[in-house]
Amino acid sequence: ILNVEQSPQSLHVQEGDSTNFTCSFPSSNFYALHWYRWETAKSPEALFVMTLNGDEKKKGRISATLNTKEGYSYLYIKGSQPEDSATYLCAFSQAGTALIFGKGTTLSVSS
Amino acid sequence: ETGVTQSPTHLIKTRGQQVTLRCSSQSGHNTVSWYQQALGQGPQFIFQYYREEENGRGNFPPRFSGLQFPNYSSELNVNALELDDSALYLCASSLRDRDSYEQYFGPGTRLTVT
Repeated sequence: ILNVEQSPQSLHVQEGDSTNFTCSFPSSNFYALHWYRWETAKSPEALFVMTLNGDEKKKGRISATLNTKEGYSYLYIKGSQPEDSATYLCAFSQAGTALIFGKGTTLSVSS
Repeated sequence: ETGVTQSPTHLIKTRGQQVTLRCSSQSGHNTVSWYQQALGQGPQFIFQYYREEENGRGNFPPRFSGLQFPNYSSELNVNALELDDSALYLCASSLRDRDSYEQYFGPGTRLTVT
């Protein structure tokens, strides 16, 4: 059974803090690693799709790294803002069909 | 560009009944995937349709079935509803090609089975 683990399950930070989350996935038959941002009552929003070992992606204050050999990815948020409050999901795929999701990390940012 | 839409937003059914959920894919996309998110869990893959054919299925019983139409919209049908089917059902559309597999999600349908 393929398993994707995310940590921490939740965290609470102050506005301006930088934070990071971890996603662990099986390292065999890797195809792609996806990060989504999901606000309550909205659609999950695609942040990054990463396919290459050592890949780094950046979008504004959010960035992600990928290590396919050891099976982990980090998501970083620099200078957290209240609008960053959301659940961050990572998902792994082997053959480009099914996405296998972790349970997500719920971030709460206080002003 | 129109995003992925799902209907209805939420509904309540009784155990044993049947339900149909609908998904309109993003313009230009030819693949639709369905996911179930139970409380406290990540979304779980149900199945995927590519060009009107089932193209992969997760660990769900046959009472979960689907269709994809020529305009690439899709339906998820669940027969003989059980209490554990209560969940958020998400659909995602994508354009299947060799180099990317980004999936774009709708807002989901919240199903409650009583």
